[in-house]
Amino acid sequence: DARVTQTPRHKVTEMGQEVTMRCQPILGHNTVFWYRQTMMQGLELLAYFRNRAPLDDSGMPKDRFSAEMPDATLATLKIQPSEPRDSAVYFCASGPGELFFGEGSRLTVL
Amino acid sequence: AQSVTQPDIHITVSEGASLELRCNYSYGATPYLFWYVQSPGQGLQLLLKYFSGDTLVQGIKGFEAEFKRSQSSFNLRKPSVHWSDAAEYFCAVKTSYDKVIFGPGTSLSVIP
Repeated sequence: DARVTQTPRHKVTEMGQEVTMRCQPILGHNTVFWYRQTMMQGLELLAYFRNRAPLDDSGMPKDRFSAEMPDATLATLKIQPSEPRDSAVYFCASGPGELFFGEGSRLTVL
Repeated sequence: AQSVTQPDIHITVSEGASLELRCNYSYGATPYLFWYVQSPGQGLQLLLKYFSGDTLVQGIKGFEAEFKRSQSSFNLRKPSVHWSDAAEYFCAVKTSYDKVIFGPGTSLSVIP
């Protein structure tokens, strides 16, 4: 059963630390999205890729967030340095048409 | 700018009653439209999608949605709600360059 895999599922860290979240999209999917979900802001689009090329990362705070796709089977989202306001659930999704979502990475920054 | 609105933040219905969740979008061209459902602690699951053709689309779990271009709407319906349908529901639109944006969501509670 093909699925999007995200790691870690849960992460607790202290302010100022680097956080890296990883996503393995479904094999053959050429678009990959990163979303952040909070109670206040809902689902925010942070960045997305097509064929590994970034198409739009305007939703990300550029000074601390970065998103990459080193290869077709791995997407990464890094936060450096992390801040308490980054606490959220981060979702990765992939697809050719409709999006298939991972189960999310819940980040808590103390 | 493209956007999706879901006017109802929270809806409560009785089990067995009918359901309609509203969704309006703002996009100049013909949109691709989706409804997703999210249970607590889970990712989002696709309920149904509209790309083209018949404006009434059927999805999983007995849901259907109707695309109305004149009203820029894509409302989700179910004739008889089950307690297991309690969840968060998101409408989404796919715009140019494959960008997919979501509405704020509607939380559904079901009274036994």
